Amino acid sequence: GDSVTQMEGPVTLSEEAFLTINCTYTATGYPSLFWYVQYPGEGLQLLLKATKADDKGSNKGFEATYRKETTSFHLEKGSVQVSDSAVYFCALSGIPNAGGTSYGKLTFGQGTILTVHP
Amino acid sequence: GAVVSQHPSWVICKSGTSVKIECRSLDFQATTMFWYRQFPKQSLMLMATSNEGSKATYEQGVEKDKFLINHASLTLSTLTVTSAHPEDSSFYICSALTGRVQPQHFGDGTRLSIL
Repeated sequence: GDSVTQMEGPVTLSEEAFLTINCTYTATGYPSLFWYVQYPGEGLQLLLKATKADDKGSNKGFEATYRKETTSFHLEKGSVQVSDSAVYFCALSGIPNAGGTSYGKLTFGQGTILTVHP
Repeated sequence: GAVVSQHPSWVICKSGTSVKIECRSLDFQATTMFWYRQFPKQSLMLMATSNEGSKATYEQGVEKDKFLINHASLTLSTLTVTSAHPEDSSFYICSALTGRVQPQHFGDGTRLSIL
């Protein structure tokens, strides 16, 4: 079945440092890929997405490129801020099964805790 | 746009009681809603998928009689935790999808504490 693997955290950085959070996936066909962010005590917010190979999703200085050849969707930001401290989830939306019951289901990675210090 | 409201945000109740959590799509019609459970410092575990007007599809290992899901309209789904016990304490999050277009939009979650 589909699966998503994220780099283990927690990740601790100083403000203005470069961020990379690795994400690789296993799926049939061409899934859509997402990064979600969760701030303490809140639900998930979509950070960025990519729906086909070589697409680059970007938002708020974060970027991720859909790499079919390496089945990866690594999250990057050139200069992190204290306000970026949160949990980051990589996720994919795969191909529905024959019965259609899996349509729209997201498969999440385990999440990576990011803490940015001033 | 695409706002999902979840209520209540936090509930504390005694063991044995039933608790209802509401998930509303405020500015769009949600043909499909999802219910997740999240343990501290862990990822989201999908509990069930609900489509408006039909029975929910539960993931393997989720008790249908314990977690009752109703999706009576295109803007409202409810999760009722029946006869709740301390082990049901968790953070429950809903999300909504319109048609076949991703992404899902998430509510802010409900923290359930059973004493």
